[in-house]
Amino acid sequence: NAGVTQTPKFRVLKTGQSMTLLCAQDMNHEYMYWYRQDPGMGLRLIHYSVGEGTTAKGEVPDGYNVSRLKKQNFLLGLESAAPSQTSVYFCASSLALYNEQFFGPGTRLTVL
Amino acid sequence: AQKVTQAQTEISVVEKEDVTLDCVYETRDTTYYLFWYKQPPSGELVFLIRRNSFDEQNEISGRYSWNFQKSTSSFNFTITASQVVDSAVYFCALSLSGGSYIPTFGRGTSLIVHP
Repeated sequence: NAGVTQTPKFRVLKTGQSMTLLCAQDMNHEYMYWYRQDPGMGLRLIHYSVGEGTTAKGEVPDGYNVSRLKKQNFLLGLESAAPSQTSVYFCASSLALYNEQFFGPGTRLTVL
Repeated sequence: AQKVTQAQTEISVVEKEDVTLDCVYETRDTTYYLFWYKQPPSGELVFLIRRNSFDEQNEISGRYSWNFQKSTSSFNFTITASQVVDSAVYFCALSLSGGSYIPTFGRGTSLIVHP
């Protein structure tokens, strides 16, 4: 039982490049989330999904897109990376919005 | 709108001291859920506890205890006889029962336990 996994663990991009972060969970959770964590800012929700084929905006969605084509996967895309998107990205999943979340190990992204 | 405030940015203690991490929340809903998560230096976030708004009983788990007081909208976390392994960032979070409300996290409190 792997829980929540994230790929890749580290990535360096140049400004304007694109990339996709992959999150996978094997707990059959309906809800999945993408957060970014910056020093002193805590966890800020980027996008979330309440089920396969559905996504919704969180607190800081600009510059990101997501897709949930399969229940177990939640993809986060950056179409044109900017230095302001340098951060640690966490994926999480839960049974419902009011249940505890299970987090992945994080992806450290640097945009030069 | 809901809000979670962790006023303590960083706390530094010496091993074996007791320490309390404060969490104050704001919501107009009567049904809600409160959480604490731990993020050790390794970076991964780990769930510690969940309480619902109808259960004000304090919870104790080993050296950890949680004090939920609706009268002051607080859900404080106490570590008794702290250890170096308790060094981490601790996050308090709030969720509502309604399907459209997303969880809200506080900014976290960094706890440093010195040997």
